[in-house]
Amino acid sequence: DSGVTQTPKHLITATGQRVTLRCSPRSGDLSVYWYQQSLDQGLQFLIHYYNGEERAKGNILERFSAQQFPDLHSELNLSSLELGDSALYFCASSVGARDTGELFFGEGSRLTVL
Amino acid sequence: QQQVKQSPQSLIVQKGGISIINCAYENTAFDYFPWYQQFPGKGPALLIAIRPDVSEKKEGRFTISFNKSAKQFSLHIMDSQPGDSATYFCASQGYGSARQLTFGSGTQLTVLP
Repeated sequence: DSGVTQTPKHLITATGQRVTLRCSPRSGDLSVYWYQQSLDQGLQFLIHYYNGEERAKGNILERFSAQQFPDLHSELNLSSLELGDSALYFCASSVGARDTGELFFGEGSRLTVL
Repeated sequence: QQQVKQSPQSLIVQKGGISIINCAYENTAFDYFPWYQQFPGKGPALLIAIRPDVSEKKEGRFTISFNKSAKQFSLHIMDSQPGDSATYFCASQGYGSARQLTFGSGTQLTVLP
């Protein structure tokens, strides 16, 4: 168990809808990263938050947004969903923002858009 | 965008054999090279990592070989076991303010009993 909790584990929705994925980092970790994993794209970095502030953006669509709350949990909001958004969404956490070291991943939220 | 190219996409090895997965990176500003292991239904977990100031790091049956001049690094799994069957991702972490990992596309390893 990595200590990172993601909910929901599975989510099925329709095109055009909006969903929110939630992540609770390991106790004491201030950084939260979101990654998207699809069959043909591997793990794609979406966004990084550190202690409530956005630190870096990767391949995140404008339809997607995220935030990190004062209690350090994070939410990834996906709107106007398209079939191609179907993927596993992983949250990972680490202690700092600039340290090298281990990222701890949750078990992911599997999104299916029909 | 900075890339990490990983090969092969899939690998089948007999029990007791050696599994070798290769990665190449483009950006010389990367300074940390981890390998993550992912079992079905689970998130990736750190397996072993290396920094560019050494050419090899060994932990048990797992070894990373690093070639800085060629910008390549590889994972060797000695005496491969069926329990090693998983997807392996190489990654690189660069300089800068955010330090996010850039992952390779993954290698699905199957070790036959």
